[in-house]
Amino acid sequence: NAGVTQTPKFRVLKTGQSMTLLCAQDMNHEYMYWYRQDPGMGLRLIHYSVGEGTTAKGEVPDGYNVSRLKKQNFLLGLESAAPSQTSVYFCASSYLNYGGPGELFFGEGSRLTVL
Amino acid sequence: AQSVTQPDIHITVSEGASLELRCNYSYGATPYLFWYVQSPGQGLQLLLKYFSGDTLVQGIKGFEAEFKRSQSSFNLRKPSVHWSDAAEYFCAVAGRTGGFKTIFGAGTRLFVKA
Repeated sequence: NAGVTQTPKFRVLKTGQSMTLLCAQDMNHEYMYWYRQDPGMGLRLIHYSVGEGTTAKGEVPDGYNVSRLKKQNFLLGLESAAPSQTSVYFCASSYLNYGGPGELFFGEGSRLTVL
Repeated sequence: AQSVTQPDIHITVSEGASLELRCNYSYGATPYLFWYVQSPGQGLQLLLKYFSGDTLVQGIKGFEAEFKRSQSSFNLRKPSVHWSDAAEYFCAVAGRTGGFKTIFGAGTRLFVKA
């Protein structure tokens, strides 16, 4: 009963390096999201997707790119990492509901440090 | 644009005392509202949700929340706090308007004293 799985769980990067975070869900959910969590700032939405092949910008999209080529996967990319991107990243998915998305199902988080 | 305000950064209550965490939202239509809890070093767990119907909703662990449209609020309450309730609590708003995204407040950290 995997739910939402994020990989990797920890990563240390040097400034300017690139990396990709992978999120996989096995619940056949339509919606998928990437958030970052920083102390005192709650969860801020980076990008999200309302279906396979679609993506949209959230509150803090700069410096990140995403892709959703398959319904079950949502990738978050950092092309040139900066120290300001040091954070804990959470992926979440949700099901289609009439008036909007249902509740979010979260992954365990990925801690990224950029030196 | 949708947004959530949690006015209290942190709250301290005594074990056994009642608790109310405040949440105000801004949303252009009928919102979907949620409360999540995060224990230190852990992921987020859903406490309760409001989609429609009865404006007083019950959740897990003895929590409840009341949707007040006139005040744009969705405050979380618990009649008697346990030491294990110490955690960070997040209010969130979602809906069709604004593109099906879920937006969170900054969170309220709850401390419980013996």
